[in-house]
Amino acid sequence: GAGVSQTPSNKVTEKGKYVELRCDPISGHTALYWYRQSLGQGPEFLIYFQGTGAADDSGLPNDRFFAVRPEGSVSTLKIQRTERGDSAVYLCASSAGARVGNEQFFGPGTRLTVL
Amino acid sequence: GQQLNQSPQSMFIQEGEDVSMNCTSSSIFNTWLWYKQDPGEGPVLLIALYKAGELTSNGRLTAQFGITRKDSFLNISASIPSDVGIYFCAGCSGTYKYIFGTGTRLKVLA
Repeated sequence: GAGVSQTPSNKVTEKGKYVELRCDPISGHTALYWYRQSLGQGPEFLIYFQGTGAADDSGLPNDRFFAVRPEGSVSTLKIQRTERGDSAVYLCASSAGARVGNEQFFGPGTRLTVL
Repeated sequence: GQQLNQSPQSMFIQEGEDVSMNCTSSSIFNTWLWYKQDPGEGPVLLIALYKAGELTSNGRLTAQFGITRKDSFLNISASIPSDVGIYFCAGCSGTYKYIFGTGTRLKVLA
């Protein structure tokens, strides 16, 4: 029984580099979410996809962050010109829909470290 | 970004003791959720609450949706060592954008 998977589990990069983080949601889940969790904090919402489209990207911190979900399944979070402050665990979640009662299932996260 | 206030921030308890933690918000929510996160893992849903005043149990866990809709409580009875971890509350005023708390770190002493 596959849950949400994320790759890589860890990513170390240098300041200024470009990174891509991948999320494979639970099969059949139409809704997909990205959250960012800084050390010692709870997850913070970044973006929500319904199908292929970004229905709400209000949590993206700036235009260096971008996410896609071209076929309505796998999603990629892209960060350009990384900064040390981008270091965090990036969590992906999926749900069967985005209605009240649709549980969001989280993946294990990608720990991003920007040196 | 906005984070909900959770208390206590951390607690050490003896195995077998009951645990209480709470979460408060300045905003009204129509859904409250409680998650547990183990090291290196994503949060796992424990209990979801959808109605003000609702009291819901899941095994040894009981949670309540505050009547003001601005707070929620989680109780764990007869704690065991595997209860160790970080507990997060989350509130939702719409249908999908969860606002998480700052977490309560629980350590159980055998």
